[in-house]
Amino acid sequence: SQTIHQWPATLVQPVGSPLSLECTVEGTSNPNLYWYRQAAGRGLQLLFYSVGIGQISSEVPQNLSASRPQDRQFILSSKKLLLSDSGFYLCAWSVQGAETQYFGPGTRLLVL
Amino acid sequence: AQSVTQLDSQVPVFEEAPVELRCNYSSSVSVYLFWYVQYPNQGLQLLLKYLSGSTLVESINGFEAEFNRSQTSFHLRKPSVHISDTAEYFCAVKTNSGGSNYKLTFGKGTLLTVNP
Repeated sequence: SQTIHQWPATLVQPVGSPLSLECTVEGTSNPNLYWYRQAAGRGLQLLFYSVGIGQISSEVPQNLSASRPQDRQFILSSKKLLLSDSGFYLCAWSVQGAETQYFGPGTRLLVL
Repeated sequence: AQSVTQLDSQVPVFEEAPVELRCNYSSSVSVYLFWYVQYPNQGLQLLLKYLSGSTLVESINGFEAEFNRSQTSFHLRKPSVHISDTAEYFCAVKTNSGGSNYKLTFGKGTLLTVNP
């Protein structure tokens, strides 16, 4: 069966520091991968998606970036965090061509 | 572009009472519809989905939702809730427009609180 992992689970970072969140999927090949951010009372916002290694599409302009160095690894990064980057970050995957997305456990980021 | 409206941000109910969480969507093309559940400090779990076929879909834990095309709704119902159903519920829509449309659009969520 497929599983999706995210780490760290919780992160507290000062403003201006760099960020790296990691997501890996097991038990499937060539998945579509997604990064979402969840802010309190605002639902989920799609940040990036990827259909293959090195292929990244951005949904919203921001100071975050994403990379996919391996087939089942998706990384969310920032060079300098802002206060507004605080939130709950969720990674998700789907089978190529299928409709359903499956979510990881999330990373809670607090920028102080 | 599609949008999702969850009409109630919070729904408090007593245990064993029925519940309905409302979801309406807006889209110019046909859609796929989903309900996800999120327990505190956890990721989202798929609860049920409508892709095609029967407009009434059910989950393994007693929830059901009905796709109503004319009313553009996908309300979630359960005839008798348990304390363990306390969670936040998200409705989501994905357009069936083919091509490279990968985006799930979510509502803002409904917090269901089941009280003893």
